[in-house]
Amino acid sequence: GAVVSQHPSWVICKSGTSVKIECRSLDFQATTMFWYRQFPKQSLMLMATSNEGSKATYEQGVEKDKFLINHASLTLSTLTVTSAHPEDSSFYICSARGVVRNEQYFGPGTRLTVT
Amino acid sequence: LAKTTQPISMDSYEGQEVNITCSHNNIATNDYITWYQQFPSQGPRFIIQGYKTKVTNEVASLFIPADRKSSTLSLPRVSLSDTAVYYCLVGDEAGNNDMRFGAGTRLTVKP
Repeated sequence: GAVVSQHPSWVICKSGTSVKIECRSLDFQATTMFWYRQFPKQSLMLMATSNEGSKATYEQGVEKDKFLINHASLTLSTLTVTSAHPEDSSFYICSARGVVRNEQYFGPGTRLTVT
Repeated sequence: LAKTTQPISMDSYEGQEVNITCSHNNIATNDYITWYQQFPSQGPRFIIQGYKTKVTNEVASLFIPADRKSSTLSLPRVSLSDTAVYYCLVGDEAGNNDMRFGAGTRLTVKP
């Protein structure tokens, strides 16, 4: 199946700093990418939908100025957590839409820990 | 946008067949049903997708009744490594789907 990668797989940062997470579709072009956040023992929560070349659409309650999403090419989307705080510590997962029906291919996730 | 409802958890034993049902009463005509598997600290993995009747691949079968208001993921002869959370999602072919996950079903396979 299609492969989606994320980088880094884990990151530890100090409170107040910014962290960028990359999501790449390795063997297909993805016009739409999704960003999720998942807390322990909980389901994935959709944060935003990103279409290549346009502004991301954020879910209600997600601060767009805090979680900056850029989808500059058909194979790369980035999520920047600005001025991170301990409550932003979570597992961040991206997914990319393939061309077959509406199959979604998920990245392996990025574990963010803010100290 | 169709919402889904699944049992929160299920237990099974190695070698048994496991059936997980998902309710999607408001499914639209153009919606497909897709199931994902997720292990701890990993991204969800695509299992199977279907529109109606039955779909089978190398890992699972998906049964969808005529009214399409529910679907059943069938895992034959589960092993300990099938312990995971299983999610069903519905969405249309054009991509106008609701990629919001429900709570999922936590399957525990015991020896």
